[in-house]
Amino acid sequence: AQTVTQSQPEMSVQEAETVTLSCTYDTSESDYYLFWYKQPPSRQMILVIRQEAYKQQNATENRFSVNFQKAAKSFSLKISDSQLGDAAMYFCAFHMDSNYQLIWGAGTKLIIKP
Amino acid sequence: NAGVTQTPKFQVLKTGQSMTLQCAQDMNHNSMYWYRQDPGMGLRLIYYSASEGTTDKGEVPNGYNVSRLNKREFSLRLESAAPSQTSVYFCASSEAGASGRNEQFFGPGTRLTVL
Repeated sequence: AQTVTQSQPEMSVQEAETVTLSCTYDTSESDYYLFWYKQPPSRQMILVIRQEAYKQQNATENRFSVNFQKAAKSFSLKISDSQLGDAAMYFCAFHMDSNYQLIWGAGTKLIIKP
Repeated sequence: NAGVTQTPKFQVLKTGQSMTLQCAQDMNHNSMYWYRQDPGMGLRLIYYSASEGTTDKGEVPNGYNVSRLNKREFSLRLESAAPSQTSVYFCASSEAGASGRNEQFFGPGTRLTVL
């Protein structure tokens, strides 16, 4: 069975600095997708970034980038120039290419210090 | 576009009561999903509907039923609520197919408390 582990229940960073959130996963599949979702206090789940396992190049979206290490089954999220609006729960999720289920990590609470 | 909408936003039930959570999407998506989110855990899939007219069990289906009323609407019913069903419930939709290429879009959630 596939599992997703986020080992950091909470992280804090000074505004304008860089923070990295960790995620590891376990699967025997070769075709899959990895996601980072943001959940602010409003509860709305928002897709931050997506990575296809077959792509070697790390995905980037403005201030958000990932470090995807397929062999190590690691998928970390780097947030540069942290802003107060980045404060939220961040969830790592895994999706096999062959079924409908998103497998979620337990989440990391990100605190931004002004 | 409203995206994915859910009603109600909050609900308190007594043990044994029944209720239906409503979900609708206006993105012409074929696939819809119901998840629950418990403290300290990620989302877990309750049921999904790959396309209109089909529904399948997810990871935690016990105590729930679903109805895919039409392409837009997917409801979740608790026939006899239990305190273990206290959770936040999310509905989501995606274009079609099982592929992870199809991003899932989420509603705002329903916070359900069962006393």
